Amino acid sequence: EAQVTQNPRYLITVTGKKLTVTCSQNMNHEYMSWYRQDPGLGLRQIYYSMNVEVTDKGDVPEGYKVSRKEKRNFPLILESPSPNQTSLYFCASSSESGQLIGGYTFGSGTRLTVV
Amino acid sequence: RKEVEQDPGPFNVPEGATVAFNCTYSNSASQSFFWYRQDCRKEPKLLMSVYSSGNEDGRFTAQLNRASQYISLLIRDSKLSDSATYLCVVKRPLGDQGGKLIFGQGTELSVKP
Repeated sequence: EAQVTQNPRYLITVTGKKLTVTCSQNMNHEYMSWYRQDPGLGLRQIYYSMNVEVTDKGDVPEGYKVSRKEKRNFPLILESPSPNQTSLYFCASSSESGQLIGGYTFGSGTRLTVV
Repeated sequence: RKEVEQDPGPFNVPEGATVAFNCTYSNSASQSFFWYRQDCRKEPKLLMSVYSSGNEDGRFTAQLNRASQYISLLIRDSKLSDSATYLCVVKRPLGDQGGKLIFGQGTELSVKP
């Protein structure tokens, strides 16, 4: 089944403790992206990647890092999480042609709480 | 001003009603337009693309007015299963941050029996 898999689905952590949210897709998509969703603010892009070893900042990159060493994986790293990073996170992927028709496939989301 | 603006609702309608959602966007270079559906606490899913000529998919009709920078979604004969948040989405040109999708805040729809 074609899908984007995020882990974990839920995470509660403490301020300053490094964490990684994994994202993996099995569709050989070139484009991958991370979004966060907050009430009243909608979905905002954190980072995106056009292909392996090509990453760039989105609208809200502060406090986050990403890497794209392999085509299928696009982990989101929070080196020193803070409470304002409490949010619902989505990973999304798309093929080049899929991008033209807005065909993004989203993962199921990761609900992160930083206390 | 947000790049994509929607009325957040909620829209509470009875089964069988016709409901219309509106959306405006500010970037005239926007390339493509879509409606996504998001069920509570779940991932967004593509509902339909929006074309200048207007397009229909069953009970759903989408319209785009590029001159006014306005997008609409009409749902006819609404069902209980239509209850969700509807996201207006605008795509920037590929040369602009990889052609990223800009999401509106979403309009919440609740269809009651």
